[in-house]
Amino acid sequence: NAGVTQTPKFQVLKTGQSMTLQCAQDMNHNSMYWYRQDPGMGLRLIYYSASEGTTDKGEVPNGYNVSRLNKREFSLRLESAAPSQTSVYFCASSESPGGSNSPLHFGNGTRLTVT
Amino acid sequence: QKEVEQDPGPLSVPEGAIVSLNCTYSNSAFQYFMWYRQYSRKGPELLMYTYSSGNKEDGRFTAQVDKSSKYISLFIRDSQPSDSATYLCAMSGNPTQGGSEKLVFGKGTKLTVNP
Repeated sequence: NAGVTQTPKFQVLKTGQSMTLQCAQDMNHNSMYWYRQDPGMGLRLIYYSASEGTTDKGEVPNGYNVSRLNKREFSLRLESAAPSQTSVYFCASSESPGGSNSPLHFGNGTRLTVT
Repeated sequence: QKEVEQDPGPLSVPEGAIVSLNCTYSNSAFQYFMWYRQYSRKGPELLMYTYSSGNKEDGRFTAQVDKSSKYISLFIRDSQPSDSATYLCAMSGNPTQGGSEKLVFGKGTKLTVNP
């Protein structure tokens, strides 16, 4: 049982380049999330998908787009990368929205550097 | 005032010590309280989960919630080097009682247990 799988694990981009971070879960969860984690800032929600077919902005959505491809997969796209997007990106999933009475399961992150 | 405050540490203790980790919060609507553990270069994983007030014990770990003081704690007894990690508190409201299901994380406390 793999849980939440993120690819790639590491990526270096030049300013202005684009890329898509992939996430897949095998727990049949309805809700999926993208967070970024920066030193001193903690985990910040970028976008989430409460259920297949829906997506919503989180706390820091600017510069990102998402696609809920199917129930298993939720991708995050950076159209024109900026140095401020250097971060560790975590995908998470939960059985029901919010993560309150349905805890979040996290992947192991994608470490992105934008030069 | 931030919704959730957590001292980032770092906290360094000898093996066998009792560790106390704490968070304070300002939103009285929070009902669900969680502690996540994050090892270096890994995603957070759920450690303890509590609904409303009171204590919950799981092996060497005890979670306490004091809603009157808006204060939650995680105690680790007989701490081990394998407990070295960053500990994040998280909390949310109960949508059935008018609260927001949005999960709010503390910034995490880095703990090192020295052999």
